[in-house]
Amino acid sequence: QKEVEQNSGPLSVPEGAIASLNCTYSDRGSQSFFWYRQYSGKSPELIMFIYSNGDKEDGRFTAQLNKASQYVSLLIRDSQPSDSATYLCAVRDSSASKIIFGSGTRLSIRP
Amino acid sequence: DAMVIQNPRYQVTQFGKPVTLSCSQTLNHNVMYWYQQKSSQAPKLLFHYYDKDFNNEADTPDNFQSRRPNTSFCFLDIRSPGLGDAAMYLCATSGTGREQFFGPGTRLTVL
Repeated sequence: QKEVEQNSGPLSVPEGAIASLNCTYSDRGSQSFFWYRQYSGKSPELIMFIYSNGDKEDGRFTAQLNKASQYVSLLIRDSQPSDSATYLCAVRDSSASKIIFGSGTRLSIRP
Repeated sequence: DAMVIQNPRYQVTQFGKPVTLSCSQTLNHNVMYWYQQKSSQAPKLLFHYYDKDFNNEADTPDNFQSRRPNTSFCFLDIRSPGLGDAAMYLCATSGTGREQFFGPGTRLTVL
């Protein structure tokens, strides 16, 4: 059973600080990793994807991937109240054309 | 704008009354997915189509079926909805890239 593990939170971060979200996965052959943001009652929105070891930056978001440790993380700099949402880590199955989701981390940015 | 569209956005049905949810896409993606998501849980993959090839998840109940008459459209049929089938149903697509994009979802209520 291929799994993606996340801390469910809630993770509370003061406005303007860095939020750090973490994820581990079991499928050692996975090559593609994604972070989705989901507001309550809405569908998931893709915010970052990363395929290579190291860091990938896009605006206030940085995704970090360490394949040897089977670990992927998302950093959100200068956190804003609008960043309050559930963040889903997702990993592409190495043997099928589908994505495996973690259960999500609920992030709350306090003013 | 190219996008994934789901209709209806809200569906109310009675216990045991068949219901059909629809998804269409203008992205010309070859893979389409149906997910079920309940409150505070990860999206659960029900099935997906790679072009016309249908792939059913092992734990998807027989009560759920799907049709993909062409590249643009995909339908989810729930033959005899039970109270436990009340959820958000999400359609997603992916193309030659590895990213997956979601529609806005259909919220199903079973009375």
